[in-house]
Amino acid sequence: RKEVEQDPGPFNVPEGATVAFNCTYSNSASQSFFWYRQDCRKEPKLLMSVYSSGNEDGRFTAQLNRASQYISLLIRDSKLSDSATYLCVVPGEYGNKLVFGAGTILRVKS
Amino acid sequence: EPEVTQTPSHQVTQMGQEVILRCVPISNHLYFYWYRQILGQKVEFLVSFYNNEISEKSEIFDDQFSVERPDGSNFTLKIRSTKLEDSAMYFCASSLYRQGLRYGYTFGSGTRLTVV
Repeated sequence: RKEVEQDPGPFNVPEGATVAFNCTYSNSASQSFFWYRQDCRKEPKLLMSVYSSGNEDGRFTAQLNRASQYISLLIRDSKLSDSATYLCVVPGEYGNKLVFGAGTILRVKS
Repeated sequence: EPEVTQTPSHQVTQMGQEVILRCVPISNHLYFYWYRQILGQKVEFLVSFYNNEISEKSEIFDDQFSVERPDGSNFTLKIRSTKLEDSAMYFCASSLYRQGLRYGYTFGSGTRLTVV
């Protein structure tokens, strides 16, 4: 299994829709996980940290399933401004780096 | 909100030339990183740095690359003899805790390196 894998999408959804992304990881010892957002040609920006079973922040919910080694991100009531690439990020094997997934493209249309 | 600052924002260099990319991490952060992203590809780890030494480096980070924290505030990435395939966006990042525990890494806005 790759260190981190994501469905590249794109996910094309209408405004107001609920959309979910999944991500699988290989390092079973990982403790903290992250979802980052990246706009075109910009730096990744932290969206959410996930270090227990899950985390919720407004319209965004992240969940962690350690047994199956996957992390999910749920976006409710999608806005046009949510259009971006969502990066699943997990710790590397020796704890000295974070490893980025290839990203899932979300396009929210009016 | 504290920021990671990178300069220059864009650098064009001739193949074979040396380049130095500069970063000022967040002042109380202890762990420093360089990543790169080739256009249309994923964010790739280059090197991590803690306590004035490299903690881990990737296969990309070969003898042409080096990092330095010369004065306690700047963190630099040097590419000795650039190749066309070094063209990418280079991101500097810093974190307070190892593994970016709880707070992740904070990234700078990047330096776009174009090798011609």
